[in-house]
Amino acid sequence: KNEVEQSPQNLTAQEGEFITINCSYSVGISALHWLQQHPGGGIVSLFMLSSGKKKHGRLIATINIQEKHSSLHITASHPRDSAVYICAVAAGGTSYGKLTFGQGTILTVHP
Amino acid sequence: SQTIHQWPATLVQPVGSPLSLECTVEGTSNPNLYWYRQAAGRGLQLLFYSVGIGQISSEVPQNLSASRPQDRQFILSSKKLLLSDSGFYLCAWSGRRPSGANVLTFGAGSRLTVL
Repeated sequence: KNEVEQSPQNLTAQEGEFITINCSYSVGISALHWLQQHPGGGIVSLFMLSSGKKKHGRLIATINIQEKHSSLHITASHPRDSAVYICAVAAGGTSYGKLTFGQGTILTVHP
Repeated sequence: SQTIHQWPATLVQPVGSPLSLECTVEGTSNPNLYWYRQAAGRGLQLLFYSVGIGQISSEVPQNLSASRPQDRQFILSSKKLLLSDSGFYLCAWSGRRPSGANVLTFGAGSRLTVL
């Protein structure tokens, strides 16, 4: 069993829809990251969370430390949001770049 | 501002040949540095990380090695490549911005094909 599980693995949406991607993990963490990977392969860090909720534009990330669960929400989705979204965790007491990754969620947003 | 450079972007190498991928960071000092790999059809995996010059931790047994000869330089190497070394390699750094915010920034990646 992976330490980091994401769902769904694939997600297709119509432009404008509200999207949620879920991440569950099994270890104590110092930080949880949501990453975005575009088809060319480059990765961008969207959020780094250790508690609560963060918002950036149309993206919202939440984390529940007690339940070991995080969600990434995209409001008013757009075709340019199409990418692979990856959840990754840094185990408690370690450098927050020392990551264990989920398998990723492939998001496709149709116009 | 902090930037990270990684090269080469793409390379095709024969089995048994050596490898050197380089990563440099600008605009920060004493960053934590990381090498990750994404094999075809698989998720990302941490290979090495470094908290300082000459300090390397290996996360998985493998055919590769890493070195940090300078504070902001991180090199991934192999003496003899295997087919299984093919993949997309990403360098990253973590630290604090001048604002105090924690940051994790990835390089653009190096796509290695071993034939």
